[in-house]
Amino acid sequence: ETGVTQSPTHLIKTRGQQVTLRCSSQSGHNTVSWYQQALGQGPQFIFQYYREEENGRGNFPPRFSGLQFPNYSSELNVNALELDDSALYLCASSLGLAGDQETQYFGPGTRLLVL
Amino acid sequence: AQSVTQLGSHVSVSEGALVLLRCNYSSSVPPYLFWYVQYPNQGLQLLLKYTSAATLVKGINGFEAEFKKSETSFHLTKPSAHMSDAAEYFCAVSDSSASKIIFGSGTRLSIRP
Repeated sequence: ETGVTQSPTHLIKTRGQQVTLRCSSQSGHNTVSWYQQALGQGPQFIFQYYREEENGRGNFPPRFSGLQFPNYSSELNVNALELDDSALYLCASSLGLAGDQETQYFGPGTRLLVL
Repeated sequence: AQSVTQLGSHVSVSEGALVLLRCNYSSSVPPYLFWYVQYPNQGLQLLLKYTSAATLVKGINGFEAEFKKSETSFHLTKPSAHMSDAAEYFCAVSDSSASKIIFGSGTRLSIRP
């Protein structure tokens, strides 16, 4: 157990809808990253938040957005869902941004199916 | 830019045999390298990471990996495979321990009885 939880575990949506996925980091973890893992592929970086500010973004369109809250929880929002958004969405948290001892702890993921 | 190439999408070994999963990386800065394991319908678990200290890194569950700069490789090994090692393994690279991680496409490890 990493102490990182995600909800819901599974979700089914239709094209054009909007979805919010949630992540609860370990207490004290100021950094959260979100990844998209399509079936049969490795995870791809969506974005990272540090102390409630976006701190880097991967090659994802603006309809992917996020929020990080002071209580170590965060959200990934996806607007105008497309079929290709069907994937496992993973969040990972760590204490900060620097230092060789930093470790990113992954949650179990939310599996999203877009029909 | 950083990237990772995992050689072999599927590796099958007999129980008790050596496990060798291959990974080559590309990085313009000194890399941080990771191996993660993913069991079916679960998230990612860190097996081990290289952060410019010892080139031979020991991880959990008897796995280890050796950083070879001259070969830009970070292959994962385990002397004796166990049935419980069957899973998907991902090699990954980053420019720090907490920055975005670039993952390979994964290698599925099967263990034959």
